[in-house]
Amino acid sequence: GAVVSQHPSRVICKSGTSVKIECRSLDFQATTMFWYRQFPKKSLMLMATSNEGSKATYEQGVEKDKFLINHASLTLSTLTVTSAHPEDSSFYICSARDPNAKNIQYFGAGTRLSVL
Amino acid sequence: AQKITQTQPGMFVQEKEAVTLDCTYDTSDPSYGLFWYKQPSSGEMIFLIYQGSYDQQNATEGRYSLNFQKARKSANLVISASQLGDSAMYFCAMRAINTGGFKTIFGAGTRLFVKA
Repeated sequence: GAVVSQHPSRVICKSGTSVKIECRSLDFQATTMFWYRQFPKKSLMLMATSNEGSKATYEQGVEKDKFLINHASLTLSTLTVTSAHPEDSSFYICSARDPNAKNIQYFGAGTRLSVL
Repeated sequence: AQKITQTQPGMFVQEKEAVTLDCTYDTSDPSYGLFWYKQPSSGEMIFLIYQGSYDQQNATEGRYSLNFQKARKSANLVISASQLGDSAMYFCAMRAINTGGFKTIFGAGTRLFVKA
């Protein structure tokens, strides 16, 4: 099946630094990718929709200046958490929509971010 | 407004038995897709099965089947012959084409425990 690669799987950083997370669709071109945040024992919360070649669409309440999204190619989207703080510590998951497979969303393995 | 409801926070099933995980949804959009994902303790979201609102037959994928009751707006997941590896969190999700664009919303999840 379709594969989405997410990197890194885990990152620990100091408060105030920025962290970049990459999401790649490995065997299909994804014009649309999604970034989710998952709190412990909670469901997925959509943060933004990443559109190739255009600006991301952020969900209400998500700071676009804090969570920078770039979708530079049909196979890569990046999420940069700028000036990270401990409250940004979370599990971030990306997914990519496969237009050739009923638009099913395939997910990356997730990135666990810990901000000290 | 769109909504996904999973009323079972946790379920137990004996190995080799079948189990049904409940999911109800609400949307005014006549065209929508329903999904089930599995999230093991590793965190990765694994696509299991898809049902389109206009599909005449219930979707099946190996040991997974989706009991689609359109009038009741329910999309229960049935796992036959449960295995220990089925122990995980299961999320029901929906994407309404016209009103939701390509955004997928998720239920709160059901944690399944398979007993040996």
